[in-house]
Amino acid sequence: KQEVTQIPAALSVPEGENLVLNCSFTDSAIYNLQWFRQDPGKGLTSLLLIQSSQREQTSGRLNASLDKSSGRSTLYIAASQPGDSATYLCAVITRGSNYKLTFGKGTLLTVNP
Amino acid sequence: GAVVSQHPSWVICKSGTSVKIECRSLDFQATTMFWYRQFPKQSLMLMATSNEGSKATYEQGVEKDKFLINHASLTLSTLTVTSAHPEDSSFYICSAGGRIDEQFFGPGTRLTVL
Repeated sequence: KQEVTQIPAALSVPEGENLVLNCSFTDSAIYNLQWFRQDPGKGLTSLLLIQSSQREQTSGRLNASLDKSSGRSTLYIAASQPGDSATYLCAVITRGSNYKLTFGKGTLLTVNP
Repeated sequence: GAVVSQHPSWVICKSGTSVKIECRSLDFQATTMFWYRQFPKQSLMLMATSNEGSKATYEQGVEKDKFLINHASLTLSTLTVTSAHPEDSSFYICSAGGRIDEQFFGPGTRLTVL
């Protein structure tokens, strides 16, 4: 059974700081890996998608890496802003009888002005 | 991007009653929709995969007779929590999209069972 772990559970940083969020998964047989953002009481917004054959993806101030063999991914946020405050979720996509997203518990990020 | 809506946004009900939650894809058709449940400080857990015109596929441990899913059209899936109890209180989120890695998520429904 695939399990996804995110560390840390919560992180508070001053504005402008660079930060790294970590995600690990137990079964390396993944199809893709996605990072999402969730704002309180709201749905999810996809931030970055990394194909299993890729090592990293970049979008603006965000950079996500994937080391499939070791079961790890990181989300790097550069020059953090208060608007980045949210919960960041990592999810792996596996293919069985159906494709399936397995989520971690998330990292609650607070960026202080 | 595509929009997925959910209704209601929040609902409070008495124990033993049934609650229906709607998930709509507003500007695209979705043959498959997914239903998730999220308890406080926990991860989203997939409950079931809803397929238009056929029976839903439930994840292990999810009672199909308690969580009734109907995907009657290409833009609407409903989740009915039957005989709800306080332990069913949770945040329910649906997603829809053409591909598993192109899912659009609804804003969620907060269910509180008294």
